[in-house]
Amino acid sequence: GQSLEQPSEVTAVEGAIVQINCTYQTSGFYGLSWYQQHDGGAPTFLSYNALDGLEETGRFSSFLSRSDSYGYLLLQELQMKDSASYFCAANNAGNMLTFGGGTRLMVKP
Amino acid sequence: AAGVIQSPRHLIKEKRETATLKCYPIPRHDTVYWYQQGPGQDPQFLISFYEKMQSDKGSIPDRFSAQQFSDYHSELNMSSLELGDSALYFCASSPRDRGKVQYFGPGTRLTVT
Repeated sequence: GQSLEQPSEVTAVEGAIVQINCTYQTSGFYGLSWYQQHDGGAPTFLSYNALDGLEETGRFSSFLSRSDSYGYLLLQELQMKDSASYFCAANNAGNMLTFGGGTRLMVKP
Repeated sequence: AAGVIQSPRHLIKEKRETATLKCYPIPRHDTVYWYQQGPGQDPQFLISFYEKMQSDKGSIPDRFSAQQFSDYHSELNMSSLELGDSALYFCASSPRDRGKVQYFGPGTRLTVT
């Protein structure tokens, strides 16, 4: 089985940088994905790490350390529209996703 | 750009009734995934299909069944509905060669009364 742990809630101000951590215990782990979900909306893909290191996509970056079973999502230059829930998810060989509990990010003016 | 289509968007059923949820993947996507998300919960993987064959199976109750058809659309059939089945049901699709990215549909909100 797989389990992923992430903080339940994070608050930050506009323009700031925030890091959302994710630790996992898995079998058959292939990579770590990050998804954003606004209230009532569908999850939207943000980033994926199969190898150790940093992946950068615009204001968002994601990091993975397989040896530490740890990853994080870094959001820079926060905007009000970034207020949402962020899920880390473990991919298996068939790309079945096992999600963490989600981190609710609140961006304040 | 075309997105994943799910129908219906909202469905209200009574206990012990049946429900059928439909998913139309993005054109040329051959893999479909179904997820269930309860209020305030993370999405839970139910089942996936690749080229019309079941690929992975998660925490899908025996009361539920699903299939993928020749046009790649998929249907999730739910019988003997229980109050606890009330949730958002998401379908996601991906092309097999880039399956790490899943494109989610808007979801079907099922309410069982």
